Amino acid sequence: SQTIHQWPATLVQPVGSPLSLECTVEGTSNPNLYWYRQAAGRGLQLLFYSVGIGQISSEVPQNLSASRPQDRQFILSSKKLLLSDSGFYLCAWSPTVNYGYTFGSGTRLTVV
Amino acid sequence: AQTVTQSQPEMSVQEAETVTLSCTYDTSENNYYLFWYKQPPSRQMILVIRQEAYKQQNATENRFSVNFQKAAKSFSLKISDSQLGDTAMYFCALNSGGYQKVTFGTGTKLQVIP
Repeated sequence: SQTIHQWPATLVQPVGSPLSLECTVEGTSNPNLYWYRQAAGRGLQLLFYSVGIGQISSEVPQNLSASRPQDRQFILSSKKLLLSDSGFYLCAWSPTVNYGYTFGSGTRLTVV
Repeated sequence: AQTVTQSQPEMSVQEAETVTLSCTYDTSENNYYLFWYKQPPSRQMILVIRQEAYKQQNATENRFSVNFQKAAKSFSLKISDSQLGDTAMYFCALNSGGYQKVTFGTGTKLQVIP
């Protein structure tokens, strides 16, 4: 069966520090991978998606970036965090976008 | 563009009763998919139900069913025999036109009262 792992679960980082969140999927190949951010009281905002190794599409211009160095690995990064980067970050995968997502357990990021 | 609107920020229901969560959407595409996701307090988002727009029949998954009104662009979720474990945020979502983007509503917080 397929599983998705996301870590860390929580992170407190100072403003201006770098960020690296990792997501891996097991039990499938060539998944579509997604990074979403969920702000308090709001829905989910798509940040990045990838349909293959090295293929990254950005939905929102900001100081975050994403990479897919391996087929089942998706990394969310920042060189310098802003206070506005605080939020709940969710990784998800899907065989195709209209199949529905399987989400990771999320990372609560607090920038202080 | 595709939009999803959930007009009920919070709802409550007595245990064992039935509750309906509302969702309306907008898209110019004929081919699209609708979803309901559940996010319990543990925060892990779970797919509850999926509906393909070209299918007339309403999707059902155990105690969860939808009322899909295509002309009205309405996609409500009915939870029967509510259980305490149904307490969660529920998000309606839409994917249309073959694009990679899924648009989510702002969610409805459901509280099941014992």
